[in-house]
Amino acid sequence: DAMVIQNPRYQVTQFGKPVTLSCSQTLNHNVMYWYQQKSSQAPKLLFHYYDKDFNNEADTPDNFQSRRPNTSFCFLDIRSPGLGDAAMYLCATSRDFTDTQYFGPGTRLTVL
Amino acid sequence: GQNIDQPTEMTATEGAIVQINCTYQTSGFNGLFWYQQHAGEAPTFLSYNVLDGLEEKGRFSSFLSRSKGYSYLLLKELQMKDSASYLCAVRDSNYQLIWGAGTKLIIKP
Repeated sequence: DAMVIQNPRYQVTQFGKPVTLSCSQTLNHNVMYWYQQKSSQAPKLLFHYYDKDFNNEADTPDNFQSRRPNTSFCFLDIRSPGLGDAAMYLCATSRDFTDTQYFGPGTRLTVL
Repeated sequence: GQNIDQPTEMTATEGAIVQINCTYQTSGFNGLFWYQQHAGEAPTFLSYNVLDGLEEKGRFSSFLSRSKGYSYLLLKELQMKDSASYLCAVRDSNYQLIWGAGTKLIIKP
């Protein structure tokens, strides 16, 4: 089945220790998104890629970086996680900007 | 600014019908989405409306009135597994999704 996969599902890191979250897709979609979602809040868009074109939201902290080495994979790097970065991180894909977004299962990040 | 409003929490009884409302103020409109999100899981797509009227999909229906900036999600024959948060999202003129904070639906036996 075509799908969006995120690894790991749960990640525990220490304050200030870099962490990388991964997302892969078999849908061959052009657009990949990273969202941060805290409890009982709306998902917050961090950035997205259309193919290799990267778009960073204006209020995304510099602490968050992303890489998309090929169509299938996208990574979220948090260089120095703070306690406030504990959240669910959601990867989504869409064929293009006019298409529905489909989400992976998410990675729940805990910062100790 | 852009804004999506939906009730924080609703309670309904198994087998009943519930309507979850969503009002929006956005820069342009290119469609409205409803997603279901179970606790600790990712959102899953439920419905899409871009024209006024009712879209029916099994037990779930979604309605849109663009002139009123209003939508609702109607869930019929409620089951315990419908306990989840329901998120309303509007695609604006830049094709960016503007999300509501979600409505937590609690189903009681």
